[in-house]
Amino acid sequence: DGGITQSPKYLFRKEGQNVTLSCEQNLNHDAMYWYRQDPGQGLRLIYYSQIVNDFQKGDIAEGYSVSREKKESFPLTVTSAQKNPTAFYLCASIERTGNGATNEKLFFGSGTQLSVL
Amino acid sequence: AQTVTQSQPEMSVQEAETVTLSCTYDTSESNYYLFWYKQPPSRQMILVIRQEAYKQQNATENRFSVNFQKAAKSFSLKISDSQLGDTAMYFCAFRAGNYGQNFVFGPGTRLSVLP
Repeated sequence: DGGITQSPKYLFRKEGQNVTLSCEQNLNHDAMYWYRQDPGQGLRLIYYSQIVNDFQKGDIAEGYSVSREKKESFPLTVTSAQKNPTAFYLCASIERTGNGATNEKLFFGSGTQLSVL
Repeated sequence: AQTVTQSQPEMSVQEAETVTLSCTYDTSESNYYLFWYKQPPSRQMILVIRQEAYKQQNATENRFSVNFQKAAKSFSLKISDSQLGDTAMYFCAFRAGNYGQNFVFGPGTRLSVLP
């Protein structure tokens, strides 16, 4: 079945350490997104990518980095500069139709819970 | 910039009863889409229903329906015959219709269905 796979499900970070969250999709979607979810808050956009080898900062990009070397993969690195990384991280993708408009349905992965040791 | 507001942080409803979750949004766009997403305890985000702003008819998906009031910028979700499996966080989301526009999510409403 097609979908979005996020790994690991749980991740622990030590102080000063960089960690990378994996996001892989086999939906052939062009656009991919990373969201952060804190308790009692909605989803906030970290980074997004509309196409391979291109990505843009979202609302809370500081302390995070991404790459988009393949259409299927959009890994997120939480760097040591992110001082409050404990949160639930969701990866999502969206389909783009041939005429340039987008199918407006977001597909989500199952998320990664990142905690600080 | 667009904003989405959900004024009810928590709600509860008895099983088999009907409940309405509120959502308001602010935008200057004329072409846009609105969504309700459900996040059960598993934390998997699930699309419940969507509405295109240019459609006057309210969207319906089985027990879920919306009341879309474009002039008032209101987009409420009605859940009929509530079931225990409806217990979840519900997020209202907005997306402008132009290509490349991102989704904006509200803070969510935690719904508990009581037996």
